[in-house]
Amino acid sequence: SSDLTQPPSVSVSPGQTATITCSGNEVGKTFASWYQQRPGQSPEMVIYQDKQRPSGIPGRFSGSKSGNTATLTITGTQAMDEGDYFCQAWNSDTVSFVFGTGTKVTVL
Amino acid sequence: HLQLQESGPGLVKPSETLSLTCAVSGDSVSSTSFYWGWIRQPPGKGLEWIGSIYYGGTTYYNPSLKSRVTIFVDTSKNQFSLNLTSVTAADTAVYYCVARWGTFDPWGQGTLVTVAS
Repeated sequence: SSDLTQPPSVSVSPGQTATITCSGNEVGKTFASWYQQRPGQSPEMVIYQDKQRPSGIPGRFSGSKSGNTATLTITGTQAMDEGDYFCQAWNSDTVSFVFGTGTKVTVL
Repeated sequence: HLQLQESGPGLVKPSETLSLTCAVSGDSVSSTSFYWGWIRQPPGKGLEWIGSIYYGGTTYYNPSLKSRVTIFVDTSKNQFSLNLTSVTAADTAVYYCVARWGTFDPWGQGTLVTVAS
C-alpha cells in the first residue's frame, strides 16, 4: 500500500505555528489520525477523526481537512513538540491502514 | 487505564518465525470495546500497519504481509500475539502492539527485533 505524502521536515521558532500536511486519496475518503513520536519514544495519538483531540493532548494541537489533504497545526509551538509526526488513514481499496511518510518537526 | 507491553526474542534467524506477545492490563482482551493490533517501524523509517484482530477472532492483515502473518488472542493470559513467518532482514524493526481500530491508542513501548544469522 502506498504511503500518504508529508513534507520531510518543518522548522519553527518557539511560540510560532507549525503546519504539517498529509495528502492522498485515502484522506479524502475517510478520517485521518495524527501521531507524535518524540525521540526514543512510542508514537502517541494527538488527533483523530480529522480534528478531534484526545483527552490530555494540549489545545495547541488542532487538525483540519480539505479534499484529499489533512493538516495538523501546532499553535504556539514549544520545545517539547519536537519529534516526528505521522498521519494515518484507511485505504478502502486495499482494505488496510496506511501511514504518512512522516515529518520531522524541529523547534529552532 | 489500558496499558500494553510487548515481549519476545530480540534476534531471529532468517527464514524462521518471528513471535511476539502483547500483555494487556487495565481491561480484558475479550472486551468488545477494542481491536488489538501490531504496527512496525524499521530503524530510522516510517510506520507500517501489520494487522488487527477483534475479540471474536476476526482478523485484518496488511495485504503486503498477509501470506506470512497470523494474529491471535489468548484470553486465558489476557494477551494477544503476532507470528510472522519466513523472515528476512527486511523484517528488522521495532514492533509495537496497539489498541483500537484506526485511532491507535495506546501503544506499547515497542520491542526491537533484528533478523540476522
